[in-house]
Amino acid sequence: DQQVKQNSPSLSVQEGRISILNCDYTNSMFDYFLWYKKYPAEGPTFLISISSIKDKNEDGRFTVFLNKSAKHLSLHIVPSQPGDSAVYFCAASEAGGTSYGKLTFGQGTILTVHP
Amino acid sequence: DTAVSQTPKYLVTQMGNDKSIKCEQNLGHDTMYWYKQDSKKFLKIMFSYNNKELIINETVPNRFSPKSPDKAHLNLHINSLELGDSAVYFCASSHGTHVGYEQYFGPGTRLTVT
Repeated sequence: DQQVKQNSPSLSVQEGRISILNCDYTNSMFDYFLWYKKYPAEGPTFLISISSIKDKNEDGRFTVFLNKSAKHLSLHIVPSQPGDSAVYFCAASEAGGTSYGKLTFGQGTILTVHP
Repeated sequence: DTAVSQTPKYLVTQMGNDKSIKCEQNLGHDTMYWYKQDSKKFLKIMFSYNNKELIINETVPNRFSPKSPDKAHLNLHINSLELGDSAVYFCASSHGTHVGYEQYFGPGTRLTVT
């Protein structure tokens, strides 16, 4: 039972265009969401996060949108650069004290940005 | 300066053997985690320690035993290795256990059981 799903295994985008990565979740207790980026042979690195009290969070070229009613979030990268080519993981957590920071990850989307 | 390091990076071993993976963080964090990335690429949490105390213990076979000798180290010992244990294992650390505390990941250890 995968509570966080990234239904697109891969995405290919031209440099300078927008990349949109999608993520769906099923657990209504999730109230904090994160995106991690992973290069080959490295561990995931934190990219951006959003709390359920917001519907948008922006950090430079990266914006995360949250639609709680649809249990859906997306990561927008504008403009996309070749260095953005990586695997992007969506993750979710419950803010309650018993979660102890536990993250539930999706299976990742491979983004390829072509020059 | 490596923030979260794991050794070894690659581990190839035969079924039935016992092996350990070591993790060290130099970030001064008090919480450490072990994740397993399976063949379907999902990253799943296995264990978490906060100040050397076990706080998360997911449904993991008891052949897997974490050990935290101090706050900077969290090792993973696996007994009687099975083919299904083949995966990439990631260690991570964070400043605390509350959401919003970014988790820093190590580079991973690719375990192959033959």
